[in-house]
Amino acid sequence: EVQLVESGGGLVQPGRSLKLSCAASGFTFSNYYMAWVRQAPKKGLEWVATISTSGSRTYYPDSVKGRFTISRDNAKSSLYLQMNSLKSEDTATYYCARHLLSYYFDYWGQGVMVTVSS
Amino acid sequence: DVVMTQTPVSLSVSLGGQTSISCRSSQSLVHSDGNTYLYWYLQKPGQSPQLLIYKVSNRFSGVPDRFSGSGSGTDFTLKISRVEPEDLGVYYCYQGTHYPRTFGGGTKLELK
Repeated sequence: EVQLVESGGGLVQPGRSLKLSCAASGFTFSNYYMAWVRQAPKKGLEWVATISTSGSRTYYPDSVKGRFTISRDNAKSSLYLQMNSLKSEDTATYYCARHLLSYYFDYWGQGVMVTVSS
Repeated sequence: DVVMTQTPVSLSVSLGGQTSISCRSSQSLVHSDGNTYLYWYLQKPGQSPQLLIYKVSNRFSGVPDRFSGSGSGTDFTLKISRVEPEDLGVYYCYQGTHYPRTFGGGTKLELK
């Protein structure tokens, strides 16, 4: 059974940093692109970042490019999201997702809440 | 960026009834490889999104045949027949053809 478990969320002040983690199990992690998708409170879904199987390629929307960094450790079956220079508009639930061939998300974690506020 | 426009924003349906959701993209979703990477997700209350339909019209594993997808180019539709209580939630269309990947704004399905 595919499982994705996020951690590392919490309350952080504007301008500070936070790192999210996602522990994967139930599949061969190194064979899959992975991604982060977020959802602001009572809002829709927004793709945040994608990383290739080896980690050599990463993709971001303009809203987070230059501030967020996605990375992975295939030996640990873990995905990460380093978030710097956080803004109030980054407040959201962040989901770890398997990004099949970088085209679509077939499995999602339960999400972790990040609140950016002073 | 490709804008995905869903209509309606909310739907009220009777149990056992039928309904449909429209999704329109601002650009064609036909990829250079010939595939159309248009997907449908359902987010039930308090849960993560779950995949229903992939590449326009293919049901994901375990999705009942009450759900069907259709469309081409820039216009797509999700149809739900014989609505059951477990179908309630917010439906999102999503495109995986162009970067940045984008979702529709969502359609909330409620009971009448």
